[in-house]
Amino acid sequence: DSGVTQTPKHLITATGQRVTLRCSPRSGDLSVYWYQQSLDQGLQFLIQYYNGEERAKGNILERFSAQQFPDLHSELNLSSLELGDSALYFCASSPPGRGTQYFGPGTRLLVL
Amino acid sequence: ELKVEQNPLFLSMQEGKNYTIYCNYSTTSDRLYWYRQDPGKSLESLFVLLSNGAVKQEGRLMASLDTKARLSTLHITAAVHDLSATYFCAVGNTGNQFYFGTGTSLTVIP
Repeated sequence: DSGVTQTPKHLITATGQRVTLRCSPRSGDLSVYWYQQSLDQGLQFLIQYYNGEERAKGNILERFSAQQFPDLHSELNLSSLELGDSALYFCASSPPGRGTQYFGPGTRLLVL
Repeated sequence: ELKVEQNPLFLSMQEGKNYTIYCNYSTTSDRLYWYRQDPGKSLESLFVLLSNGAVKQEGRLMASLDTKARLSTLHITAAVHDLSATYFCAVGNTGNQFYFGTGTSLTVIP
């Protein structure tokens, strides 16, 4: 158990809908990262937040957005969902610096 | 965009044998990670390598980094069945973006 929690574990929804994925980092970690893992695209970095501020952006679609709240939990919002958005979404957290990222268990999203 | 090439994609090895997984990346990086992923599970951090010549070892796994060659290796010594998993390398750039290799699916055969 990494100490990073993600909810929900599974999500099934329809095209065009909007969903919110939630992540709670390890105690004391200020950085939160979001990743997408799919069969066709592999593992992709989406976005990083540090202490409430966006720090880096990766291959995040405009239909997707994220935020980190004052209590350091983070939410990833996915809107206008398409079939191709079906994937595993991981959140990771890390302490300050260039150290280890600890991954949560993931949210498996299925868009029908 | 930083490209990460990992090989081999699939590796089947006998117990007790040694092998190396390679991770090449295309541009300057300031950190390199190795992760393990078991089927249906999340990623487990194995190593973080931050500087040229860095070498880290944990059990039967040893990782090294050559920033001049833009190459990292994950060496497996005397493989055991428990090491069967998919191994990913990931490279971070100075802009705090991260790029993953395609993964190496390792199967250790008794």
